[in-house]
Amino acid sequence: NAGVMQNPRHLVRRRGQEARLRCSPMKGHSHVYWYRQLPEEGLKFMVYLQKENIIDESGMPKERFSAEFPKEGPSILRIQQVVRGDSAAYFCASSPPGRGNTDTQYFGPGTRLTVL
Amino acid sequence: AQKVTQAQTEISVVEKEDVTLDCVYETRDTTYYLFWYKQPPSGELVFLIRRNSFDEQNEISGRYSWNFQKSTSSFNFTITASQVVDSAVYFCALRDNTDKLIFGTGTRLQVFP
Repeated sequence: NAGVMQNPRHLVRRRGQEARLRCSPMKGHSHVYWYRQLPEEGLKFMVYLQKENIIDESGMPKERFSAEFPKEGPSILRIQQVVRGDSAAYFCASSPPGRGNTDTQYFGPGTRLTVL
Repeated sequence: AQKVTQAQTEISVVEKEDVTLDCVYETRDTTYYLFWYKQPPSGELVFLIRRNSFDEQNEISGRYSWNFQKSTSSFNFTITASQVVDSAVYFCALRDNTDKLIFGTGTRLQVFP
């Protein structure tokens, strides 16, 4: 049973470019969460999605950041016009359907974004 | 507000020593879940344990044990007879009535041979 998949593992962008991060949840999981880890810090929640719905985006910056989890395909975290401060590790987690807050979130390996 | 505090930024021990990582949490909810994750040097996050607020029974899994005390809002993690492979950053996290995990800032454990 494959775990949470994220790609790419490493992404380098120049200031002003767009970054697209992909996350495929574990088989059977329909809840996806995105977290950001700045260097030497803990993880901070960004957004929680279920299929075709954003449930909670309270941790996501209002500008330049967007997330989706379409009916088919992976969840995408999109960062437009990246700036150096966006350099971080972005982790995706998934949990099974049902009452979400009772379930463990399993994390992918992360995408390390570097903005030059 | 919900908060998780891991006061120990970094701990260094020699192999075979026992080590305890502290975690203190704050929440107003009566139902909540506590987690520990391990982040080895390779960077991924590995789930270790989940406890719910109604189950204060301590748990042991091999060399790992967890001590959950609601009276002091603590959920401490002990590694017995530490090994070099235990070297990692360990995160404590809280999940309450929202669906997000609130992480502590992590404790970096270095185990020297």
